[in-house]
Amino acid sequence: TQLLEQSPQFLSIQEGENLTVYCNSSSVFSSLQWYRQEPGEGPVLLVTVVTGGEVKKLKRLTFQFGDARKDSSLHITAAQPGDTGLYLCAGASLTDSWGKFQFGAGTQVVVTP
Amino acid sequence: DARVTQTPRHKVTEMGQEVTMRCQPILGHNTVFWYRQTMMQGLELLAYFRNRAPLDDSGMPKDRFSAEMPDATLATLKIQPSEPRDSAVYFCASGRDSPMDEQFFGPGTRLTVL
Repeated sequence: TQLLEQSPQFLSIQEGENLTVYCNSSSVFSSLQWYRQEPGEGPVLLVTVVTGGEVKKLKRLTFQFGDARKDSSLHITAAQPGDTGLYLCAGASLTDSWGKFQFGAGTQVVVTP
Repeated sequence: DARVTQTPRHKVTEMGQEVTMRCQPILGHNTVFWYRQTMMQGLELLAYFRNRAPLDDSGMPKDRFSAEMPDATLATLKIQPSEPRDSAVYFCASGRDSPMDEQFFGPGTRLTVL
């Protein structure tokens, strides 16, 4: 069973549209990370959020950490084909002594021209 | 351009054979992670090293898997004997100081056990 549930599992949109992917859990996290993974490569870190209610922006990407630090969302504005990839969230549990990150299953995003 | 390197990139083997995967972390990084990625389970942490010492291998099947860091430039993950259910992409990642810092992932080793 996944500690972190990501939704939707798959998302296909046209270039220029907006999209939001979600990462939810019943556990509280000390911090949460978002990664993007392209085919044949390892995940690449996009952002780390640590404070409940925190919002971070990275160009057209907006990341939000829930007030209770149990959930997060990633919003992409005016998506481009280069945004295609597997988006993974990873949460650091409060109960693990060394802050081990556990990953969600990911949301596959496809942006077509 | 510092990167984590992994060899081999692809491995096809028969059930029962030994498999060794190698990882060269980024120079200066003192944390190393091994992950396994499958469609069913997603990305799972297998082992975590800090300053070459194993700190957490609770995610690793102990009877057949072993992970070591013979020196600071090499991490290995061995499976003996391999089974079809071990088929997956195995990633190595390295970072500085603590798991809270950014982890830099290698390109992965795609393992197929027939």
